[in-house]
Amino acid sequence: NAGVTQTPKFRVLKTGQSMTLLCAQDMNHEYMYWYRQDPGMGLRLIHYSVGEGTTAKGEVPDGYNVSRLKKQNFLLGLESAAPSQTSVYFCASRSFGRQRTEAFFGQGTRLTVV
Amino acid sequence: KQEVTQIPAALSVPEGENLVLNCSFTDSAIYNLQWFRQDPGKGLTSLLLIQSSQREQTSGRLNASLDKSSGRSTLYIAASQPGDSATYLCAAYNNNDMRFGAGTRLTVKP
Repeated sequence: NAGVTQTPKFRVLKTGQSMTLLCAQDMNHEYMYWYRQDPGMGLRLIHYSVGEGTTAKGEVPDGYNVSRLKKQNFLLGLESAAPSQTSVYFCASRSFGRQRTEAFFGQGTRLTVV
Repeated sequence: KQEVTQIPAALSVPEGENLVLNCSFTDSAIYNLQWFRQDPGKGLTSLLLIQSSQREQTSGRLNASLDKSSGRSTLYIAASQPGDSATYLCAAYNNNDMRFGAGTRLTVKP
């Protein structure tokens, strides 16, 4: 079982460059999330999606864009990377419904912006 | 807006001790709360999920409780071991989103 897969696992960007992080899940989950994790700050929600073609802002959306063109994929884009976006990015997915909606996480993408 | 707080931020205990980690949340209209473990430089491993209709869940030496009315969840670890050393995170589910606490960094000394 692949579960939630994030691509790439590591990346170094120069300030001003752009990139896209890919999250893919094979569990047919409706909900998908992007978080960033910085030292001592836990996980902060960037954007999320409740279904194909829908996205919504989380706690820290500035500087990021997302798209959910296919149910299994959730893309996170950085149009013009800044050093403040150096972080570890995690993607998660879970199924729709109030009961037993356990979240599954990818292994993370470590991004450094120099 | 849901806010999740975990206290203490760090905890160091001798091996064999029983311990409690705390998680509090501001919006009691949650319908699930999930506890995770994270080892340094690694991803998140799910430990326990408590549905809003439940008051506790158990897995091995772990027991998690949920009190929605007071906005609190606790994770009890019995007979701690050095292998339990990690950061423990709780996440509260509201409608569509999930919000995390900053975590408790646990060190169990041999």
